Amino acid sequence: DADVTQTPRNRITKTGKRIMLECSQTKGHDRMYWYRQDPGLGLQLIYYSFDVKDINKGEISDGYSVSRQAQAKFSLSLESAIPNQTALYFCATSDSVDSTDTQYFGPGTRLTVL
Amino acid sequence: AQSVTQLGSHVSVSEGALVLLRCNYSSSVPPYLFWYVQYPNQGLQLLLKYTTGATLVKGINGFEAEFKKSETSFHLTKPSAHMSDAAEYFCAVSPRGFKTIFGAGTRLFVKA
Repeated sequence: DADVTQTPRNRITKTGKRIMLECSQTKGHDRMYWYRQDPGLGLQLIYYSFDVKDINKGEISDGYSVSRQAQAKFSLSLESAIPNQTALYFCATSDSVDSTDTQYFGPGTRLTVL
Repeated sequence: AQSVTQLGSHVSVSEGALVLLRCNYSSSVPPYLFWYVQYPNQGLQLLLKYTTGATLVKGINGFEAEFKKSETSFHLTKPSAHMSDAAEYFCAVSPRGFKTIFGAGTRLFVKA
C-alpha cells in the first residue's frame, strides 16, 4: 500500500462549490504539505503543517484552508471553487528528524473547476 | 532569499544519448539540493540529494548530479538515456531543511 494517499484522485466541480481534498500517510512523519502544480510553474506551496497544532500559510494560500485532523491526516478545502483553481494538487510529508526535509509525495488529485 | 532556476522547460534526447538537465540555485545559507522525478500520472519521487561531503551524488536509475558551489549549479546527468527516463524532473533547494523550494520542472523526451 502507498505511504501517502490522496482522495479523490480526480474531481470535476462547478464554480462556487465547496471542495475538500484529503491526504493520509502511514509514514509516521510529523510534517505535511499541500502543493499545487500548474504547467510551467512547478510546485507552489499552499499550506504546511509541522505538527497537529502548527499550521502555516504558504505562498499561495488565498482561497484555500486546511485542517490537520491528526498527525496522519491533512485536508485541503476550497470554500468556493473558481476556475483558476483548476490544477493538480499534491500532498507531501517529511520527518523533522531528517534535517534535509526530504519530501514524500502522494499521487496527486486532478481538480477541474468549470 | 532562495530560488531555483531550471534551464529549459523541455529537453529532447535520443535513446542512448547523454542526458543533461540544468539547475542553478541561489541560497543565503549552504543548501541541501535535490532532484525529484515525476512519471506520468504519479507524484514526485526522490531521485537524489546533496547534503554535505562528496559533491558528486549518485541516484537511482543511473542518474547523478554534481554540486558546484562556485557556479551555484546542481546539474543532473545520465550517460545513456532510456525510453523509461521520459518524465518531468524537478530541481529543489532546501536552505538547511526548511521550506523546500522547487524549480519549474524540465520535461524530458526520449526518442527511439
